[in-house]
Amino acid sequence: DAGVIQSPRHEVTEMGQEVTLRCKPISGHNSLFWYRQTMMRGLELLIYFNNNVPIDDSGMPEDRFSAKMPNASFSTLKIQPSEPRDSAVYFCASAGPTNSYNEQFFGPGTRLTVL
Amino acid sequence: AQSVTQLDSQVPVFEEAPVELRCNYSSSVSVYLFWYVQYPNQGLQLLLKYLSGSTLVKGINGFEAEFNKSQTSFHLRKPSVHISDTAEYFCAVTYYNQGGKLIFGQGTELSVKP
Repeated sequence: DAGVIQSPRHEVTEMGQEVTLRCKPISGHNSLFWYRQTMMRGLELLIYFNNNVPIDDSGMPEDRFSAKMPNASFSTLKIQPSEPRDSAVYFCASAGPTNSYNEQFFGPGTRLTVL
Repeated sequence: AQSVTQLDSQVPVFEEAPVELRCNYSSSVSVYLFWYVQYPNQGLQLLLKYLSGSTLVKGINGFEAEFNKSQTSFHLRKPSVHISDTAEYFCAVTYYNQGGKLIFGQGTELSVKP
């Protein structure tokens, strides 16, 4: 089992550029979560999907952020245009089916630096 | 609003000493509680969880936590820590019909010194 896979692991970009973060959940999991972690704000839930459908995007900071899950094995988080305050570690997590209380398995994260 | 409070942002402790990391949550409705650990430059890993049943929950690496409904607490304990326990620890809660959405505390940095 490869676990949750995220790419890239590190991304350095300049302000105004488009950034796309990718996530492959664990096979068979039907819930997917995107988090952002910063020193100031801690761990924040941005959006989560259930069966590829966005359920709660209330944590998405603004319209510059968008997330998609075109199929059960792939999700993207896009920032366009990026700003220095978007610098953070972005985590993807997935959870299994059947109930709401399953463990979330986290990927290794993508460290984003916006200059 | 539902919230989780971790009362200590940093806990320094000597190796082989006992440790308690404190966590309180805001609501007394049906609640499910978790502790996660994050080692440097890694994602979060589940230590233990409380869903129902016995209020004393045992997890990996010798950690345990006790669910106290009257005090709305879920403190994490270990009787003897190792250098390798140095990490950040997050308490999290989800509620019935929340679709698995976790609310995390701000984290407690455990630093174990020789």
